[in-house]
Amino acid sequence: DIRMTQSPSSLSASVGDRVTITCRTSQDIKTYLNWYQQKPGKAPKLLIYGASSLQSGVPSRFSGRGSGTDFTLTVSSLQPEDFATYFCQQSYSIPRTFGQGTLLEIK
Amino acid sequence: QVQLQESGPGLVKPPETLSLTCTVSGGSIGSFYWSWIRQPPGKGLEWIGFIYYTGSTYYNPSLKSRVTISLDTSKKQFSLKLTSVTAADTAVYYCARGLELGFYYSMDVWGQGTTVTVSS
Repeated sequence: DIRMTQSPSSLSASVGDRVTITCRTSQDIKTYLNWYQQKPGKAPKLLIYGASSLQSGVPSRFSGRGSGTDFTLTVSSLQPEDFATYFCQQSYSIPRTFGQGTLLEIK
Repeated sequence: QVQLQESGPGLVKPPETLSLTCTVSGGSIGSFYWSWIRQPPGKGLEWIGFIYYTGSTYYNPSLKSRVTISLDTSKKQFSLKLTSVTAADTAVYYCARGLELGFYYSMDVWGQGTTVTVSS
């Protein structure tokens, strides 16, 4: 299985801040990397697919970069609704695997 | 707009079988991967498996001996069966639609999730 390691595990930030979350994989997955946002008690929501493609309807302040084993999700200017948990997920091989999550909290 | 809704018992006794159904509304079954994912309380996400609209199935090897995913295209439903459950199977279970955009697979529509507790 491909191991997914996110950092940091949690992050405190303020509205308007720029934040970056990192996802590292245990092997090369090209750009087969997705990012999801999950709010408490809700299902995950797809933000980014193919490492850098923005899902329809997702605000442009979200962006993804990376290839191989190192990926980032950046929120350029945090809004109140962005405080949530973020997960990366690889779609390179079976089984699909997720990172452990990064909790983004309000400072 | 496509919506998914999970249904099934919220409490299952060990070592019985967990059975859940996901109903698809507002869209087609065709050309998609129909997936199950679970999330134990306070933990991360675990992919269980998916079934392609053709009927091909792919399972997580860690669960493969206990999992069956099936599809009923006439009812626009797909189902999960997990046998010999233990307390470790207690989780929120999500169904989701998987699709390929270009070469990239992702899960773009999710059900709201259903909590299943395994306890005697």
